[in-house]
Amino acid sequence: DAGVTQSPTHLIKTRGQQVTLRCSPKSGHDTVSWYQQALGQGPQFIFQYYEEEERQRGNFPDRFSGHQFPNYSSELNVNALLLGDSALYLCASSSIKGLIHFGPGTRLTVL
Amino acid sequence: GQQLNQSPQSMFIQEGEDVSMNCTSSSIFNTWLWYKQDPGEGPVLLIALYKAGELTSNGRLTAQFGITRKDSFLNISASIPSDVGIYFCAGQLTSGGYQKVTFGTGTKLQVIP
Repeated sequence: DAGVTQSPTHLIKTRGQQVTLRCSPKSGHDTVSWYQQALGQGPQFIFQYYEEEERQRGNFPDRFSGHQFPNYSSELNVNALLLGDSALYLCASSSIKGLIHFGPGTRLTVL
Repeated sequence: GQQLNQSPQSMFIQEGEDVSMNCTSSSIFNTWLWYKQDPGEGPVLLIALYKAGELTSNGRLTAQFGITRKDSFLNISASIPSDVGIYFCAGQLTSGGYQKVTFGTGTKLQVIP
């Protein structure tokens, strides 16, 4: 039974560029959440998708957007990258009221 | 963004010693969670607590959901080298049918063989 998978593993971008990160949820899960984890910090909630709609959003600017597909997989898009966007981006999946399970993350470096 | 207060921030212990860490919040949560994160990996769920006052064990790990629903602690008994990592508490609140999880600041554990 595959857990949460994310791609790519690592990514290097320059300021002003745009990036797309991808996530496939654990089998049986229909809800996907995205978190940003800066070095030395706990994960910060970005947003959550259920039934292909954004249901909740944390304190992140509109440069951060996402999408959920009919197969429950999800993408996180970040536009106009800033140096401060460098972080580990974690995808987590769950059933709608169940416990969340994390993927291994995508390490984004913005130069 | 909001983060829960977790202490200690880091600790060095000898192999075989017991460890205790705790987490406090100004908000009430329905569920308390404890995760461990190894370098380059995502957090892995260790223990979930669902009721105020609940005490739950998972092997050498024991965690409690505080009576006020605003705090939790995690104990690790007889530590071993593979316990090294960063431990995060997290509070989960279900609102409007959806759950939102808020994480602590983390406790970095180093075990000296």
